[in-house]
Amino acid sequence: GQQVMQIPQYQHVQEGEDFTTYCNSSTTLSNIQWYKQRPGGHPVFLIQLVKSGEVKKQKRLTFQFGEAKKNSSLHITATQTTDVGTYFCNGGSQGNLIFGKGTKLSVKP
Amino acid sequence: NAGVTQTPKFRILKIGQSMTLQCAQDMNHNYMYWYRQDPGMGLKLIYYSVGAGITDKGEVPNGYNVSRSTTEDFPLRLELAAPSQTSVYFCASTLPGPEAFFGQGTRLTVV
Repeated sequence: GQQVMQIPQYQHVQEGEDFTTYCNSSTTLSNIQWYKQRPGGHPVFLIQLVKSGEVKKQKRLTFQFGEAKKNSSLHITATQTTDVGTYFCNGGSQGNLIFGKGTKLSVKP
Repeated sequence: NAGVTQTPKFRILKIGQSMTLQCAQDMNHNYMYWYRQDPGMGLKLIYYSVGAGITDKGEVPNGYNVSRSTTEDFPLRLELAAPSQTSVYFCASTLPGPEAFFGQGTRLTVV
């Protein structure tokens, strides 16, 4: 099946620092989705990227889809304590949503 | 509009017992999924369904069974519970469309 790897597994940052997580696939993806899971909560959909080289922004969050559609990144500018949680990418096909292991972000105030 | 509803929220089972985790969605979504999430870990797909009457195995199906008799419901059955099945279980659904909606989860402990 499709393999989606996320790095890093953990990231500890000082509040105000930037944060980036990467999602890499061994095969070309038709699309990729990003989710956020707050501690003790359930995953919540953030965004989907479909086009090669696509870049989308949501306030301080910037999402990119690689030109070859095999990798993606999520960048958070000037992290806040509200950004704490685990960020997952999902590159599976519709009927078989496989998630990466996620990147757990902690933010020190 | 309730979205995806999972019951129960918490459950403690003894080794060898059985139980059914309930999942219902009221969004008329075709696709439904069951995941387990071990402490500090990612989401592992157990089973999924692309419509009523159709189910298929995910990454970690052993020890579980599912059925999908209606579009709304997708129960997950644990037979002969084992400590390795201690986890948080999430049910999710999608239209098809990009956004998967998750339930609040069921925290299961097998002792």
